[in-house]
Amino acid sequence: EIVLTQSPDFQSVTPKEKVTITCRASQSIGSGLHWYQQKPDQSPKLLIKYASQSISGVPSRFSGSGSGTHFTLTINSLETEDAATYYCHQSISLPLTFGQGTKVEIK
Amino acid sequence: QVQLVESGGGVVQPGRSLRLSCAASGFTFSRYGMHWVRQAPGKGLEWVALLSYDGNNKYYADSVKARFTISRDNSKNTLYLQMGSLRTEDTALYYCAKALGIAVAGPDSWGQGTLVTVSS
Repeated sequence: EIVLTQSPDFQSVTPKEKVTITCRASQSIGSGLHWYQQKPDQSPKLLIKYASQSISGVPSRFSGSGSGTHFTLTINSLETEDAATYYCHQSISLPLTFGQGTKVEIK
Repeated sequence: QVQLVESGGGVVQPGRSLRLSCAASGFTFSRYGMHWVRQAPGKGLEWVALLSYDGNNKYYADSVKARFTISRDNSKNTLYLQMGSLRTEDTALYYCAKALGIAVAGPDSWGQGTLVTVSS
């Protein structure tokens, strides 16, 4: 099973600050990594697919990069509405797995 | 737009069975793989099962293998999860999600979830 480890687990950030969340895979997964945002009491929402591909309707301040075992989600100029938990997910190797999540709080 | 509506959750005793349903609309259901993903109270996301577009290929998490069965009826645009030998650790909000492709691909659109509570 491929283990995805996110860092940090928690981040408290002021508005307009840049946020970087990393996801490391225990084995190479190419670009088969996706990022999701889950706000309290809501279902997850796809932010980035295949490591760096943007999703229609998602603000351009969200971007992804990486390949192999090291991936990054960047939020440029954080807004208050971005308070949420962010998850990475790999769809290359079965069983499919999620990272443990990174909670982003607004100061 | 894509709409996924789960139903069938509830309170069930350990060892019993339950069947979840997911009604899909807004896309060509028969052309996409479909997932079940769960989230225990206050915890992270856990992938449960994936079914290919045609129902021929099924994949499960080790934690549910041999106890849960994923299936679909493309004529009714509906996904199912038959859950058997339920355990307290199966307590979670169960999401249905559309895959990015026909088979093994990550979820893109998600439903609102249906809550399953396993308790005596």
